[in-house]
Amino acid sequence: NAGVTQTPKFQVLKTGQSMTLQCAQDMNHEYMSWYRQDPGMGLRLIHYSVGAGITDQGEVPNGYNVSRSTTEDFPLRLLSAAPSQTSVYFCASSFSGWASYEQYFGPGTRLTVT
Amino acid sequence: AQKVTQAQTEISVVEKEDVTLDCVYETRDTTYYLFWYKQPPSGELVFLIRRNSFDEQNEISGRYSWNFQKSTSSFNFTITASQVVDSAVYFCALSVVGQNFVFGPGTRLSVLP
Repeated sequence: NAGVTQTPKFQVLKTGQSMTLQCAQDMNHEYMSWYRQDPGMGLRLIHYSVGAGITDQGEVPNGYNVSRSTTEDFPLRLLSAAPSQTSVYFCASSFSGWASYEQYFGPGTRLTVT
Repeated sequence: AQKVTQAQTEISVVEKEDVTLDCVYETRDTTYYLFWYKQPPSGELVFLIRRNSFDEQNEISGRYSWNFQKSTSSFNFTITASQVVDSAVYFCALSVVGQNFVFGPGTRLSVLP
């Protein structure tokens, strides 16, 4: 199993550009999520999905879109990049959205917006 | 609302010392789950342990041990005889039914040789 994979590992964008961060998992997990990690703030939830076709907003959703057309994939789209979106982005998955299940994380994408 | 506090921003110890990382949580739910994750310098997040609110038994795994105390809403993590490879950022997290994970801000542990 590859677990949770993310591409790209690094990305530099100019303000106003758009891009998609890719996330895939091969564990047949129902629940997937996107977090951003900023210094001193831990991980903050951007969007999550409890299954194919179902997505919802997390704590910091503004400026991001998601879709979940398959169980395996959960891409995160930045609509119009801003310097405030400079961060490290992590995708995660778990067996289900039930509180007891631990999440498994991808390796992260380091995004810089200039 | 749920909240996780890790008051220690950074800790530095010398190899072979014992070190305890503190985690204090807030929730009004009676059923909840607590987690610890490790983020080494390479950047990935590694799951270490899960504990549910009905199980207050301490857990030991090699040099790692966890002390869960509902009376003080704490879930502390102790590393015995620390090693350089333990250097990482450690996150405590809380999950309750119907809500998403809430992570603490993390504690950066540096173990010096």
